Amino acid sequence: NAGVMQNPRHLVRRRGQEARLRCSPMKGHSHVYWYRQLPEEGLKFMVYLQKENIIDESGMPKERFSAEFPKEGPSILRIQQVVRGDSAAYFCASSPMVGTAKNTDTQYFGPGTRLTVL
Amino acid sequence: QQPVQSPQAVILREGEDAVINCSSSKALYSVHWYRQKHGEAPVFLMILLKGGEQKGHEKISASFNEKKQQSSLYLTASQLSYSGTYFCALYGNNRLAFGKGNQVVVIP
Repeated sequence: NAGVMQNPRHLVRRRGQEARLRCSPMKGHSHVYWYRQLPEEGLKFMVYLQKENIIDESGMPKERFSAEFPKEGPSILRIQQVVRGDSAAYFCASSPMVGTAKNTDTQYFGPGTRLTVL
Repeated sequence: QQPVQSPQAVILREGEDAVINCSSSKALYSVHWYRQKHGEAPVFLMILLKGGEQKGHEKISASFNEKKQQSSLYLTASQLSYSGTYFCALYGNNRLAFGKGNQVVVIP
């Protein structure tokens, strides 16, 4: 069973360009989370999605950032008009959500996309 | 609801033991522990549930004290492979809230 897959692993963009990050959850997982990590910091929640639904995007900046998880295909985190401050590692996690006990649901992380904005 | 982790960094020799802590200002129902090596993804170690249950992964075990609102991770007879940053995370409001991490360095 393949783990969570993310691509690209490294992405370099110039200021003002768009960055598109992809995440394929583990097989059988229908819940996807995106987190951002700055150097020497913990992970910060950005957005929580289920298939075709954004459940919670309260951790994501309202401008320039968007996320989707279509019925078919990977989840996409899109950053428009990138700025230097967007440079970070972006991790995607997926969970199976067995039952309704979210606090016991394990999230499994992908290898991350390291975004560098020049 | 970000948990507080201590100590910030630990250096120990191979074979030694260490304890790292994670505490919360709010009531705990579950604590998730992850280990992250430099440049890699966080790897799930274990989840501790309300009730004081202890769990283990390799020679790494953890306890959950809901009265103290704290979880502790015990690294026993540490191996070089234990080096990394250990994060605890609490679930609430549709997300895991991660602490800033405990950096563990095991030297030969």
